[in-house]
Amino acid sequence: DQQVKQNSPSLSVQEGRISILNCDYTNSMFDYFLWYKKYPAEGPTFLISISSIKDKNEDGRFTVFLNKSAKHLSLHIVPSQPGDSAVYFCAASEGDYKLSFGAGTTVTVRA
Amino acid sequence: GAGVSQSPSNKVTEKGKDVELRCDPISGHTALYWYRQRLGQGLEFLIYFQGNSAPDKSGLPSDRFSAERTGESVSTLTIQRTQQEDSAVYLCASSLALGAAYNEQFFGPGTRLTVL
Repeated sequence: DQQVKQNSPSLSVQEGRISILNCDYTNSMFDYFLWYKKYPAEGPTFLISISSIKDKNEDGRFTVFLNKSAKHLSLHIVPSQPGDSAVYFCAASEGDYKLSFGAGTTVTVRA
Repeated sequence: GAGVSQSPSNKVTEKGKDVELRCDPISGHTALYWYRQRLGQGLEFLIYFQGNSAPDKSGLPSDRFSAERTGESVSTLTIQRTQQEDSAVYLCASSLALGAAYNEQFFGPGTRLTVL
């Protein structure tokens, strides 16, 4: 029973444009959300996070938006760069160490 | 290197055999986690070690799975009598001190296990 869902397995975007990745969750007890990025043959690396007391967190080109009423969060990458081509995982926690992950979205940035 | 390392990177085994996967966490990280990612699915939490406290084994899928950690160093995940549904990438992560969501987990590259 997946509590975190990423319904788009892949996304293709042109360099310089915006990438929008979506994530939905079912557990209303989740209060901390994270995005991880993964390159082939490497482990996931932390990208950005947001606490449930906020609805937006920005770090450079990356912004995460949280809509608690809809149980939805999104990651915006602006502008997209070739080095952003990777698999992006959404994860959520009830505040402790157990992270529930989505299945990932593969982003391809076209030159 | 300063990152989390795992070995082997790939393991092919026959159904019914036992396998042992190894994780070397980042030095100084007291918290260690094992996850599994089956094809097309997200990472599933398996087990958590924090210092000398009793591990949280709540994510282990069956009693064929076990894990050990010596102090704050190497951990091994053992799968006995492997089944085809055990085929997955097994990822290890470590973090500093308290295992809270805001303490960044640093992942290793994983071990891809294939059970024939």
